[in-house]
Order: sequence, then structure tokens, then C-alpha cells
Amino acid sequence: AQSVTQPDIHITVSEGASLELRCNYSYGATPYLFWYVQSPGQGLQLLLKYFSGDTLVQGIKGFEAEFKRSQSSFNLRKPSVHWSDAAEYFCARSNDYKLSFGAGTTVTVRA
Amino acid sequence: DGGITQSPKYLFRKEGQNVTLSCEQNLNHDAMYWYRQDPGQGLRLIYYSQIVNDFQKGDIAEGYSVSREKKESFPLTVTSAQKNPTAFYLCASGRDETYEQYFGPGTRLTVT
Repeated sequence: AQSVTQPDIHITVSEGASLELRCNYSYGATPYLFWYVQSPGQGLQLLLKYFSGDTLVQGIKGFEAEFKRSQSSFNLRKPSVHWSDAAEYFCARSNDYKLSFGAGTTVTVRA
Repeated sequence: DGGITQSPKYLFRKEGQNVTLSCEQNLNHDAMYWYRQDPGQGLRLIYYSQIVNDFQKGDIAEGYSVSREKKESFPLTVTSAQKNPTAFYLCASGRDETYEQYFGPGTRLTVT
């Protein structure tokens, strides 16, 4: 089965510091990859997506992600974190006509 | 203003009662999805529908039922057969060709 692994359950980062969230996917032909963000008690918002082409994709809220086929990874980055970035982040990959989600990484931002 | 609506935001039921969660979208998407979210477990797919009058079971369909009579609507019924119904339920819609999914705000169901 196509799967997604987010190795970090929880990350704490200082405001203004850089952030990197890891995502690994099981190998499959031409995966479509996504990052979503969820604030407490809310739905998920799409941050960015990778379909093909340039392996560095830009998203909303200053986030970017890099697709590395050789490492089966799609890590999310932000150069300077704001307190409002505290949330849960989910990586997802296409799986037939569905999405498979990772278990999520909770980000805490300290002042 | 396009989007996905779920109602109600909070729902309380007694054990043994069936309950129906509403999901409506005006994005003209063919596909709709229901997920269950529990702490530390990410999102698990309950049911999905790629077209009106057709739907398929996801990974955890037992104890749930759905219908898709209209493109805009995909209600989920949590039946008394669902052993642990208390959870956060998320509805999503999307276009098959892009796999992008757009999520509603969720319904938190508590069964006591």
C-alpha cells in the first residue's frame, strides 16, 4: 500500500528560526505530493503541492517544499517561523483516486 | 463564495443512536470524501464518492454509511454499530485529475 511517513511527531522552534518538517513516501509511479496545515479544531488547508517539473515548489504563508526522488522525500521548509505557524502539518500522497496522509507533525513556536 | 460547509460544528448523541453529519460543497467538484481524525492518528478515510450515485468504502467504513444523491451533498451517517464514534469528522471535495482535496471545517461528534 502507498504510504506516507512523518518521522517527527512534535517539533518546537523559536519564533524567527527556520523550520523543516520531514516527509517520506513509499515508492510509486509519479506521486502527487501535498502538504496541509491544520489549526486546532479546524479543517485542513492546502499549503502546496507537487505534480511534476521543478522539484522546489512554493506555497502559501512563505512555505516551500523540495521533492527528492532519490530519497523518496518531500520535506517542508520555512526560513523564518512566525507564532501563527503553530499548528499541525500533514504530508499526503496520491493513492489511486485517494490521498494517503501521514500521521502529522505538531509544531510549537516559542517566543 | 465557494467552499465546503459542514454542520453542525459540535454534535452530541447518546450511545445507540444513529446520527447524520452534513457536508455540502459549491466548488462543482465531482469527488467527495469523509475522514475521521483521532489524536495522533492522522486522517483515516471512511468513504469516498467519485460521482453522483456511486461511492466506495475507505479504510474504516464499518459502522458508517453514506449517500450521494446530489453532486453538492455527501452526508455521513454514524450508526449504532460504530464501536468508537467519538471523533473529529472531516469532509473534503476535489477533482480526480489533480488529487487536490479541499476540506470543510469539521464536525466534532461526542457520543456518551
